[in-house]
Amino acid sequence: GQNIDQPTEMTATEGAIVQINCTYQTSGFNGLFWYQQHAGEAPTFLSYNVLDGLEEKGRFSSFLSRSKGYSYLLLKELQMKDSASYLCAVNDYKLSFGAGTTVTVRA
Amino acid sequence: DTAVSQTPKYLVTQMGNDKSIKCEQNLGHDTMYWYKQDSKKFLKIMFSYNNKELIINETVPNRFSPKSPDKAHLNLHINSLELGDSAVYFCASRATSGGANEQYFGPGTRLTVT
Repeated sequence: GQNIDQPTEMTATEGAIVQINCTYQTSGFNGLFWYQQHAGEAPTFLSYNVLDGLEEKGRFSSFLSRSKGYSYLLLKELQMKDSASYLCAVNDYKLSFGAGTTVTVRA
Repeated sequence: DTAVSQTPKYLVTQMGNDKSIKCEQNLGHDTMYWYKQDSKKFLKIMFSYNNKELIINETVPNRFSPKSPDKAHLNLHINSLELGDSAVYFCASRATSGGANEQYFGPGTRLTVT
């Protein structure tokens, strides 16, 4: 079966950095995705890791350690528009999602 | 310009009715999906089709029947609707060759069963 854990909520101040952790135990592994979902909207792709290490895309970075079953999404220079839910998803033969972390950015 | 589109966006209906949700993608992808997102925001896969063939069917009641007339379309028909079917249903698609193969999601259909 699949077990994907991430914190339920996080709050941070505009301009700050927030790190969202994701731990997983899955029967197979073919990559880990991070998606952003604003309230009432569809999930949109943020990042993908299949090998260990850090992937950087502008203000967002994602890290993967396959041996530890661990990933994190780092959001830098937080903006109000970053307030959203962030979904960790592990790919084996299907994409299994965590419950999502709601990030609230305060002025 | 819309990559993955769904209709309708909102659907309010009574228990026992039959309804359909349509999905179309213009990305040239060969794999399409249906997901259900419940009130706790948990996104769970229901079905997946690859080149019009069913490849994933996750313990979904047989009241739910997907149909893929071609690679660009995946519709979802639901019979005898129940209160517990109330949720947001997302269609998604992806290419299965090259790159990250991320999934692209449609805008969602909010189904309310009364």
